[in-house]
Amino acid sequence: NAGVTQTPKFQVLKTGQSMTLQCAQDMNHEYMSWYRQDPGMGLRLIHYSVGAGITDQGEVPNGYNVSRSTTEDFPLRLLSAAPSQTSVYFCASSTRVSGNEKLFFGSGTQLSVL
Amino acid sequence: AQSVAQPEDQVNVAEGNPLTVKCTYSVSGNPYLFWYVQYPNRGLQFLLKYITGDNLVKGSYGFEAEFNKSQTSFHLKKPSALVSDSALYFCAVRNTNAGKSTFGDGTTLTVKP
Repeated sequence: NAGVTQTPKFQVLKTGQSMTLQCAQDMNHEYMSWYRQDPGMGLRLIHYSVGAGITDQGEVPNGYNVSRSTTEDFPLRLLSAAPSQTSVYFCASSTRVSGNEKLFFGSGTQLSVL
Repeated sequence: AQSVAQPEDQVNVAEGNPLTVKCTYSVSGNPYLFWYVQYPNRGLQFLLKYITGDNLVKGSYGFEAEFNKSQTSFHLKKPSALVSDSALYFCAVRNTNAGKSTFGDGTTLTVKP
């Protein structure tokens, strides 16, 4: 059981480039979300989804786009990378099933924008 | 809007001493409260949660947390700290919108031998 899989683990971009961070889960979880982690700022929610076809903005959505066409996949797109988007990105999933409310995290993507 | 405050950036304790990492929260409705731990260069791991029931909840690695509704707090505790407990700890809250969890800024726990 792989859990939550994120790719790539590391990425270096130039300012203005676009890219997609991939996230997949094999637990049939309804909820998926993207966070960024910056020193001293904890984890900030970028976008989240409560099911296929349904997405919503979190605290820091600007510059990012998401879609959820299947239950399993929740890719995060950087439209035009900026140095301020240098961060560690975590994808997470969870279920509405009572008793198992915790978040399951991927291993993270370290992104540098030059 | 929901929020979490972890008032201490850093907590230092000696091995064998009790530890407390503080967390206060704000959320509408009944809170779902969580603690997660992040070891260096690792992802986040679940420690424990409070959904309903007893105010003292027990979790992994000997950690426990006390829910206090009147003080809107959910402090993480351990009776006897280990050097291996040194890590970054995050408190998180969500309400019935299960897709939206809000995290505190994190507290770095250092346990010295």
